[in-house]
Amino acid sequence: DAGVIQSPRHEVTEMGQEVTLRCKPISGHNSLFWYRQTMMRGLELLIYFNNNVPIDDSGMPEDRFSAKMPNASFSTLKIQPSEPRDSAVYFCASSSRIRISGANVLTFGAGSRLTVL
Amino acid sequence: GESVGLHLPTLSVQEGDNSIINCAYSNSASDYFIWYKQESGKGPQFIIDIRSNMDKRQGQRVTVLLNKTVKHLSLQIAATQPGDSAVYFCAENLNSGGSNYKLTFGKGTLLTVNP
Repeated sequence: DAGVIQSPRHEVTEMGQEVTLRCKPISGHNSLFWYRQTMMRGLELLIYFNNNVPIDDSGMPEDRFSAKMPNASFSTLKIQPSEPRDSAVYFCASSSRIRISGANVLTFGAGSRLTVL
Repeated sequence: GESVGLHLPTLSVQEGDNSIINCAYSNSASDYFIWYKQESGKGPQFIIDIRSNMDKRQGQRVTVLLNKTVKHLSLQIAATQPGDSAVYFCAENLNSGGSNYKLTFGKGTLLTVNP
């Protein structure tokens, strides 16, 4: 299993440009999460999908951020227009909630480091 | 509330020593507690979890202790190795109601193992 695959690993862009981050979750996992990590705020949940449906997007900072999951094997996080304060590492994670009980153990991707100049 | 964290708590140990990483959690209703390890340039990696009705759980070279009275969690690493150098996060998981997917992560502790 290749794990959760994210691309690009690094992105440097200028303010105002559109940024698209991509994620391929682990096959068979029905839950997908986008997190943002910064030194100031730590790991923050941006959005959660279950069975490709967005369940909780309350962590999405503002309308400039959008996420989609068109199928079980692909998700995107888009920032348009990007701003310097969006600079962070963005992680995608997936989990399999086969059982109702049990901890929600996430498998994280390697992350996409975004720098907005 | 949210705390502003410019600096991670750090722990420096000698190779071969035991390490103890501590975490204070906030929600007494949390059902599970999870420890993650994040190496430089990588995503967090699951280490071990513990259910709230337990006070101790052991894994390979790691032990997690849970003290619900003071809402404290610790991760003990035996015979610490250079490869254990990483940031360690604890996370709370409330496994009931409609928010059972949510993990609340702590700020993390940077463990440095000196050879």
